[in-house]
Amino acid sequence: TQLLEQSPQFLSIQEGENLTVYCNSSSVFSSLQWYRQEPGEGPVLLVTVVTGGEVKKLKRLTFQFGDARKDSSLHITAAQPGDTGLYLCAGFTGTASKLTFGTGTRLQVTL
Amino acid sequence: KAGVTQTPRYLIKTRGQQVTLSCSPISGHRSVSWYQQTPGQGLQFLFEYFSETQRNKGNFPGRFSGRQFSNSRSEMNVSTLELGDSALYLCASSRTGGSPDEQYFGPGTRLTVT
Repeated sequence: TQLLEQSPQFLSIQEGENLTVYCNSSSVFSSLQWYRQEPGEGPVLLVTVVTGGEVKKLKRLTFQFGDARKDSSLHITAAQPGDTGLYLCAGFTGTASKLTFGTGTRLQVTL
Repeated sequence: KAGVTQTPRYLIKTRGQQVTLSCSPISGHRSVSWYQQTPGQGLQFLFEYFSETQRNKGNFPGRFSGRQFSNSRSEMNVSTLELGDSALYLCASSRTGGSPDEQYFGPGTRLTVT
């Protein structure tokens, strides 16, 4: 059972456009992480959010954790071809050492 | 510092065989988690080990097992392979394994079952 639904599943945009990826669940997460994965490699951690309502910025990427800690969003400003990849959200529930991954959003940025 | 290493990177096996995959975590990390990634199911949690003990297990059949050694290196084993076991198997290491610890992934082992 997938507890974390991401939307959209696929996104193809041109360089310079803005985009938002959503990660939604009916479960409460103690923390949530965002990863980017490129072909042939493992996921790479981008950010961890812990507090409800928290906003973190990483250059052109802005991450937000929902007030109720059930959802999150990733906003990319002025996308570049280097942003291409599979974006995954993942959450910890309680204190358990088990990370549940979202369904993934495949982003392609073209010139 | 050196990252997470997984061996082998690619593997082709026949139905009914068994396979063992290896994961060496980042030095100092005591938690190792294993995941299965497929196009249809995405990334699914298999199990997590900390200090040689399995702390959490996902919803996979008993054919999937693992262990962790005193140096934190981990192995996972899949017995009686099925076609549906074809996937990318990823391991991740972290200091403690729990929230909100950073997880560092290896490049994965691509298993193909024919």
